Amino acid sequence: EIVLTQFPGTLSLSPGDRATLSCRASQSVSDNYLAWYQQRPGQAPRLLIYGASSRATGIPDRFSGSGSGTDFTLTISRLEPEDFAVYYCQQYGSSSTFGQGTKLEIK
Amino acid sequence: QVQLQESGPGLVKPSETLSLTCSVSVGSISSYYWTWIRQPPGKGLEWIGYIYYSGSTRYSPSLKSRVAISVDTSKNQFSLTVTSVTAADAAVYYCARGLRGYTGVYEYWGQGTLVTVSS
Repeated sequence: EIVLTQFPGTLSLSPGDRATLSCRASQSVSDNYLAWYQQRPGQAPRLLIYGASSRATGIPDRFSGSGSGTDFTLTISRLEPEDFAVYYCQQYGSSSTFGQGTKLEIK
Repeated sequence: QVQLQESGPGLVKPSETLSLTCSVSVGSISSYYWTWIRQPPGKGLEWIGYIYYSGSTRYSPSLKSRVAISVDTSKNQFSLTVTSVTAADAAVYYCARGLRGYTGVYEYWGQGTLVTVSS
């Protein structure tokens, strides 16, 4: 099973800042089958990015994904108040597993 | 807009079987992958497994011996059963629909249903 490790565990930033969230896989993720989800309190997760870098329908272009192999990054270029949430990476190249999440909180 | 709604008992006794159903409205269950994901209170997401509308399935290796997912295309529903539940199975259970052509990218989600395991 591929284990995904997200870091940092918590990221404290201010609106307008740039956020960089990382996800490292225990082995190479085939075909870059890596997705990112946002989860706000009390809500279901929301798909942001799939295929490591493709934005899902309706996702603002301030969200971008990059990376390949074992190292992946989600970047939020300019934080809006509604972006403060928990973010999960997920691999779907070999069965499927999620990272433990990064909490993005207001500084 | 596709809508998914989980339903089932909110309380299950230890050692018994948990059964949940996901009803899909606005759109057909055909031609997509349908999945179950759970989240213990205050913790992260755990993928349980998926079913294709044709009936083929894949499960998490850690849960494979205790879970089954089935589909009823005539009712536009799919279901999850988890046998021999323990406190570790207590979680919010989400059903979700895959992005067309993808087994593991989840575009639409239900609101989730909380399942408690207690005698």
